[in-house]
This record gives sequence, C-alpha cells and structure tokens, in this order.
Amino acid sequence: GAGVSQSPSNKVTEKGKDVELRCDPISGHTALYWYRQSLGQGLEFLIYFQGNSAPDKSGLPSDRFSAERTGGSVSTLTIQRTQQEDSAVYLCASSPQQIETQYFGPGTRLLVL
Amino acid sequence: SQQGEEDPQALSIQEGENATMNCSYKTSINNLQWYRQNSGRGLVHLILIRSNEREKHSGRLRVTLDTSKKSSSLLITASRAADTASYFCAAGGSNYKLTFGKGTLLTVNP
Repeated sequence: GAGVSQSPSNKVTEKGKDVELRCDPISGHTALYWYRQSLGQGLEFLIYFQGNSAPDKSGLPSDRFSAERTGGSVSTLTIQRTQQEDSAVYLCASSPQQIETQYFGPGTRLLVL
Repeated sequence: SQQGEEDPQALSIQEGENATMNCSYKTSINNLQWYRQNSGRGLVHLILIRSNEREKHSGRLRVTLDTSKKSSSLLITASRAADTASYFCAAGGSNYKLTFGKGTLLTVNP
C-alpha cells in the first residue's frame, strides 16, 4: 500500500514568511510524528499525535512552530515568520497504535533565505 | 540531552567486509531500534530489539543490546556497495516516542 507522503518535497522561502508543510500518514495509522533534521545531524523530535489524545508538543522549538492533525489523518506543520536557522529537512512518520516501529515519509527540505 | 549516540561518526570499508556501529543511550528504554537513511531523505526501519533481549538477527544484520552498559551494536556482514547510507539508532520509551542519535555514515567501496 501507499507509504507516508509529504509535500512539498522542497520549499524555498524568504526570511519572515510563513510556511506550511503537509504529511499524509499511512491509512489507519493512529500515531503521527514530526521531526527536524539539520544538515549532518540526527533527528530532533518536534511533536507527536496519538489518536484523539492531546498532542505532545514538547519538542517544538518556539511558539513560531505549530501543528495540527485534522480528522486523525493529514497533518500540517506551520512555521511562522521563518528564520534562516529553520532551514532543515522536516520528516514525518506514522505508526499503528501500540506499535513501536515508525514509517517515515521522504521529508520536506526547507531553505530559508 | 540526546539518548542515542552512535560511534563511529563515519566508517569506510571495502565490499565484503563487516561493518560494526555502536550506540549508547542514557536512560531506561523499552526498545532500541536501528534505521537507515539514504541521501538525507526518509528513514527506513531495519530492526528492533526489546529491552529484555540480548541479540537479534535479520538477514545480514545482527543487533546486540547490553542494558547494563546502556549500549547497542549493529553488525552488517558481507557488506555491499548498496549498504552505503547513514545508520541511526533510536531509543524507544514506553510512550512510543523515539530519541535518535546523530548517526554513522557508512561508505562501502566497491
């Protein structure tokens, strides 16, 4: 079946602009995760959605970052007033309930000029 | 602070040789996972070992876990050029969140 998809694949924006990144998880997966990966670095946890529970936002680096998940499926990560340090690859992953393995999308490469 | 920390940061070997990567973590875990990443894009799950397991095999992969030392190792036997990628360990807690290390960049030369 279809895997996790993310759009856009690449995004170039100007400093100060807002951006929205989209994630379509695998159908039926109740858990959805957002990570950020800076060049040559590991994955930094941002936010975690599990079913209808309140999301775990403990990894969001500032109040410029927010995410929502509509209808328990598609998720949007929004970065307001982008800064150059926001440049990174943003990865989304999903997993079935009570399953530890995460399935990753191809990521969105964000470049803030 | 980050849980998983891989060692070495980079490893270059010849095709056919074995590659060993190590990972250390800081707090209690429920499981330890290894993922592979090609060209800085999406990660692919390779293998999961639970905290009550000591060793696990999957094809050419062998993972060990030593909870007393808070460490794990990934062995890839008979490496191939196609194994060239970054390998990440991820420490899993009871809440299904994963904490990733910075990864080991493996280069397998033909």
